[in-house]
Amino acid sequence: QQQVKQSPQSLIVQKGGISIINCAYENTAFDYFPWYQQFPGKGPALLIAIRPDVSEKKEGRFTISFNKSAKQFSLHIMDSQPGDSATYFCAASRSNNAGNMLTFGGGTRLMVKP
Amino acid sequence: NAGVTQTPKFQVLKTGQSMTLQCAQDMNHNSMYWYRQDPGMGLRLIYYSASEGTTDKGEVPNGYNVSRLNKREFSLRLESAAPSQTSVYFCASSVVVGGSYEQYFGPGTRLTVT
Repeated sequence: QQQVKQSPQSLIVQKGGISIINCAYENTAFDYFPWYQQFPGKGPALLIAIRPDVSEKKEGRFTISFNKSAKQFSLHIMDSQPGDSATYFCAASRSNNAGNMLTFGGGTRLMVKP
Repeated sequence: NAGVTQTPKFQVLKTGQSMTLQCAQDMNHNSMYWYRQDPGMGLRLIYYSASEGTTDKGEVPNGYNVSRLNKREFSLRLESAAPSQTSVYFCASSVVVGGSYEQYFGPGTRLTVT
């Protein structure tokens, strides 16, 4: 059972355009929603994260939009650059004493064309 | 700081062979995790360790065992490898930041079972 569904699987954007990746979750107990960026041959790296008490969080060119009622959240990459070409994963977790166990979406392979 | 390190980087096993994947972190984190990454499925949690001396099953624990040797080291063992265990394995550790556990990943071990 995939508790976090991510779309699209792949995305091609022109340099300077906006990249949008969407995720939907099922478990209403989730209370932490990070996005990870992964380059080929590397481990995922935390990009930006949000908690459900806010509807938007922005860090530089990266913005998370969060819709609690729809159980959806999305990553927007403004002014997309070729260096942003990577695989992006959304994730969700619920706090517990053991530390947040992340449930990941299936990933989106982003290609930014020069 | 080296962060999270994993050895080996690549490994080829025959069906039925055993091996141990090593992971170490130098960030003094309490919690550590093992994930596997398969195409289109994101990362799935195999086992985690909330603190030294404790381990718990994740989403896909069958066929694996783990040992939290000390605070720094968390190993993953395949007792009798199967082709279905061909995957990329990532170790992670986490720290609490603003009430959320931020996870940091190692570079991964690419395992092929023939």
